Amino acid sequence: AQSVTQPDIHITVSEGASLELRCNYSYGATPYLFWYVQSPGQGLQLLLKYFSGDTLVQGIKGFEAEFKRSQSSFNLRKPSVHWSDAAEYFCAVGGNSGYALNFGKGTSLLVTP
Amino acid sequence: NAGVTQTPKFRVLKTGQSMTLLCAQDMNHEYMYWYRQDPGMGLRLIHYSVGEGTTAKGEVPDGYNVSRLKKQNFLLGLESAAPSQTSVYFCASATSGSSETQYFGPGTRLLVL
Repeated sequence: AQSVTQPDIHITVSEGASLELRCNYSYGATPYLFWYVQSPGQGLQLLLKYFSGDTLVQGIKGFEAEFKRSQSSFNLRKPSVHWSDAAEYFCAVGGNSGYALNFGKGTSLLVTP
Repeated sequence: NAGVTQTPKFRVLKTGQSMTLLCAQDMNHEYMYWYRQDPGMGLRLIHYSVGEGTTAKGEVPDGYNVSRLKKQNFLLGLESAAPSQTSVYFCASATSGSSETQYFGPGTRLLVL
């Protein structure tokens, strides 16, 4: 069965500092991996996705993620965080044979001045 | 192009009352989904549809019914609301299954007293 684990429920970073949000997945075949962001009171917006090819994926808003098959991880990174990045971040996994994505429980990011 | 819209945005119900949440998408997507989001639980799939006239149960279907009479609309019904159904409900759509990006609506906040 497929599953996603986001080990960090809350993360606090200072504005301008670097960010890494962790995501570990379990999936029997080639995974399709996604990161979504949810701003307060909003729906989810896609940040980036990985299907195949280059394991370093670039997304919107300056985010990137790296797929590491050996570690079953798809961590999200940003070199310099802005106050507007404060939000909830969700990792999700899917595949060719499934009908729906499997979401992690989310990581809440707080950005301090 | 409005994307995915949800009606209403907010609703208060009394225990035992019924209501219908409407989701509409204008992207000609085949797949549509209903999720609920609760603190610390992430997104949980209630029901989904792989095309007009079809519906299927997700992870937490009890107490909910759905219909997909038109391709662009996906309705979520609560026949007899319970306080445990207090949540934020999100609709999403996608071109196909779990290998594709899901596009989310803004959410409906439901409070059952």
